[in-house]
Amino acid sequence: ETGVTQTPRHLVMGMTNKKSLKCEQHLGHNAMYWYKQSAKKPLELMFVYSLEERVENNSVPSRFSPECPNSSHLFLHLHTLQPEDSALYLCASSQGGGNYYGYTFGSGTRLTVV
Amino acid sequence: SQQGEEDPQALSIQEGENATMNCSYKTSINNLQWYRQNSGRGLVHLILIRSNEREKHSGRLRVTLDTSKKSSSLLITASRAADTASYFCATVNSGGSNYKLTFGKGTLLTVNP
Repeated sequence: ETGVTQTPRHLVMGMTNKKSLKCEQHLGHNAMYWYKQSAKKPLELMFVYSLEERVENNSVPSRFSPECPNSSHLFLHLHTLQPEDSALYLCASSQGGGNYYGYTFGSGTRLTVV
Repeated sequence: SQQGEEDPQALSIQEGENATMNCSYKTSINNLQWYRQNSGRGLVHLILIRSNEREKHSGRLRVTLDTSKKSSSLLITASRAADTASYFCATVNSGGSNYKLTFGKGTLLTVNP
């Protein structure tokens, strides 16, 4: 275990469903991230929270809605997704940004939209 | 947007051989990082090299950075079957947000027993 836990590991949802991905970190870090990893594409940064405030939002469609209730928990709420949203969603955490230390990633949620 | 680009896209070697992967990037950086990803899993941070450093070692890993050529290399010595994974370089750009770690597409390394 890396200290960053993501649930569920796998999720299949219909285009009209609403679901949430959960991420929890036990490392005492103060920044958390959502990344999307699609086949044959680089990891895409979706959202960044630092001290529970959103500091980056990379033009992500509004059908993805993040929530960071405290520095240990991060959620990604999903609704009316499209099949092209099928991907591996990775959560990461860090102490500060990436200037001094690397990120710690969870194992990801494999999302399939049908 | 993609910053780092790894080369080669795929590399297959025999156990015990050395593996070298390269990364090129476009803009000035604060630091460059290498990560490993086993199939379908999360990424694991391997090493971070700052823009004022030229070489760094960690166990069997050796990373070099040439800021004049905007390139980095990752060398894995005496490779093992367990090193089979995808390897990504990622950069924090200077003058940009330090919360923006930008990844390349990765090199898929296969180490054959």
